[in-house]
Amino acid sequence: SQQGEEDPQALSIQEGENATMNCSYKTSINNLQWYRQNSGRGLVHLILIRSNEREKHSGRLRVTLDTSKKSSSLLITASRAADTASYFCATDDASNYQLIWGAGTKLIIKP
Amino acid sequence: DAGITQSPRHKVTETGTPVTLRCHQTENHRYMYWYRQDPGHGLRLIHYSYGVKDTDKGEVSDGYSVSRSKTEDFLLTLESATSSQTSVYFCAISDASREQFFGPGTRLTVL
Repeated sequence: SQQGEEDPQALSIQEGENATMNCSYKTSINNLQWYRQNSGRGLVHLILIRSNEREKHSGRLRVTLDTSKKSSSLLITASRAADTASYFCATDDASNYQLIWGAGTKLIIKP
Repeated sequence: DAGITQSPRHKVTETGTPVTLRCHQTENHRYMYWYRQDPGHGLRLIHYSYGVKDTDKGEVSDGYSVSRSKTEDFLLTLESATSSQTSVYFCAISDASREQFFGPGTRLTVL
C-alpha cells in the first residue's frame, strides 16, 4: 500500500520558475526521501530528511518536513529543462527494510 | 552511479513460460529489492532481501519468487508468466544509510 501521496500529480511550468511538490503520509516516520525519475530510467536519490529535521538544502533543492502535519514539500528553484522528470517521495519508518512510495508528481519544464 | 546492473534489459515472452531477471551489484550493499512499476500504480515492492539467503515478500509477491545465493546477485523468477506481469521491473540496493540506488530497469512484455 502506498503511504506517500504526492500533490499535484502533474505540474507544468516555464523554465526559470520555481516548482513545488508536496507529499503527505499517514504514519510516523524515521526519515522521508525524495527521488527523481527521468523518462525510461531508474530512480535517482535526491535528498533524505530525518524526522528531527525541518528543512534541508541541496543545490537548487529545498525540502521541508512537518511531522505534525505528516507532510513534506520539495522546492526546485530556477527550474531548467533538465528538471523535467517524475518526482517521488518515499517514507521510511525504520521498522523493516522497506520504503513506502508515493505515486509521483510529473514535472514538465517548458522552454 | 552505484554499480548495479540488470539483465536482460528487454524481454518479450509468452504466457506460461518461466522468466528469470537478474540484478547484479558491485557495491556490497546488504539490502536488495525488486519493484515493478506500472502506470497509475507507482512503484510496488515485489520481494526484498536483507542478506544472503534472507528474503521476504513485499506488497505484490504472488506469482514471483526470488533467490539470493551471494551478496552481489538477486534473482527474480516468474514461474509461469502471465499478461498481468507485463511491466517495468527495477532492482534497487541500499545499505545502513537507507537510501536506495536503482538499476536501469527491465522492460518485460508477456504476450
